[in-house]
Amino acid sequence: EDQVTQSPEALRLQEGESSSLNCSYTVSGLRGLFWYRQDPGKGPEFLFTLYSAGEEKEKERLKATLTKKESFLHITAPKPEDSATYLCAVQEGYGQNFVFGPGTRLSVLP
Amino acid sequence: GAVVSQHPSWVICKSGTSVKIECRSLDFQATTMFWYRQFPKQSLMLMATSNEGSKATYEQGVEKDKFLINHASLTLSTLTVTSAHPEDSSFYICSAATGGSTGELFFGEGSRLTVL
Repeated sequence: EDQVTQSPEALRLQEGESSSLNCSYTVSGLRGLFWYRQDPGKGPEFLFTLYSAGEEKEKERLKATLTKKESFLHITAPKPEDSATYLCAVQEGYGQNFVFGPGTRLSVLP
Repeated sequence: GAVVSQHPSWVICKSGTSVKIECRSLDFQATTMFWYRQFPKQSLMLMATSNEGSKATYEQGVEKDKFLINHASLTLSTLTVTSAHPEDSSFYICSAATGGSTGELFFGEGSRLTVL
């Protein structure tokens, strides 16, 4: 069965304290891995798509990387406004099926 | 990125009434849209996959007659919560896939339903 897990479940950082979030997956035929940010009471906001192992993408303080089994979302020198839940999802095969992880709740303290 | 609009963003209704939520892809055509339900501090729970011009595919445990989904055009899908009860109160989110071999998934803003 296809699975997506994320760790840690929750993470508290001091402002400026860099860290990484993990997304591990087991799917048959990865088509794409997606990262989203979700603020309370809002729909998820698209951040990145990664398609192949070794690929990296950056956006401001965020950098996403992908291997054959997992993806990392690196947060460099985070600010309080980076506090949110970060979701990863994988799309398998050639269908439209997206499998979501449970998310990591990030809190960045000033 | 692509824009998906969801309306209304919040709605309050009386028990027994029906509520319709709209999901529109504003700058792309979406043959497939998804409807999710999200409980506080929990991840997204897929309810159904909406395909343009055909019947929606519902996830196990989701009542088809309670949650009616219509995908009448390539830019619009609707979710109707019929005969709503307080236990239907939740945050409902739609998403639309841009399609193709590298299709991406974009989400609406979500709709907060409160049934009194």
